[in-house]
Amino acid sequence: DGGITQSPKYLFRKEGQNVTLSCEQNLNHDAMYWYRQDPGQGLRLIYYSQIVNDFQKGDIAEGYSVSREKKESFPLTVTSAQKNPTAFYLCATSTGRTEAFFGQGTRLTVV
Amino acid sequence: AQSVTQLDSQVPVFEEAPVELRCNYSSSVSVYLFWYVQYPNQGLQLLLKYLSGSTLVKGINGFEAEFNKSQTSFHLRKPSVHISDTAEYFCAVNDEAGGYNKLIFGAGTRLAVHP
Repeated sequence: DGGITQSPKYLFRKEGQNVTLSCEQNLNHDAMYWYRQDPGQGLRLIYYSQIVNDFQKGDIAEGYSVSREKKESFPLTVTSAQKNPTAFYLCATSTGRTEAFFGQGTRLTVV
Repeated sequence: AQSVTQLDSQVPVFEEAPVELRCNYSSSVSVYLFWYVQYPNQGLQLLLKYLSGSTLVKGINGFEAEFNKSQTSFHLRKPSVHISDTAEYFCAVNDEAGGYNKLIFGAGTRLAVHP
């Protein structure tokens, strides 16, 4: 089955914990992105990567980290420095200047 | 950098009525524009895109949008909506600042179709 797989679908984090959200793609796309979605604020860009072993900060990178060791994978770590991590997180891929393709999202809740 | 403004946060409409969801972007230079739809607890699905050529773009589910360069707008329209069109709709523009390609999204418009 082709596409973008985000896991887990739901994730609960305790205060002070780091958690990692997985994003895997088999579309052979070079570019990958992480967005955060909060009600009424649309999608805000956290990090993005155009090629393996290279990534850039988006508008709200503080408290997050990423790696891009393989073309297929772009995991996002939400660190304890992120003070308000409860949100819906979306991973996306693209071939470049055209549209992005999205995974089904991970809903992170702090408990 | 590019920015996108969706002028209505919520649009209520009756079934079979026409609807327009408004979107304005910040730059008049060459742009690529997109509309996405999101159903609850799901990812985003592409409705349509404008890359070049005809300013009237047709998409899936009977939606269309018109690119207006002079007004920097890309409004989404549907002549007759269905209950199943109830969802959140996002307008997006391509941004290439710094040589890196990414999509910038508006805040979204929640379309509620009533029987």
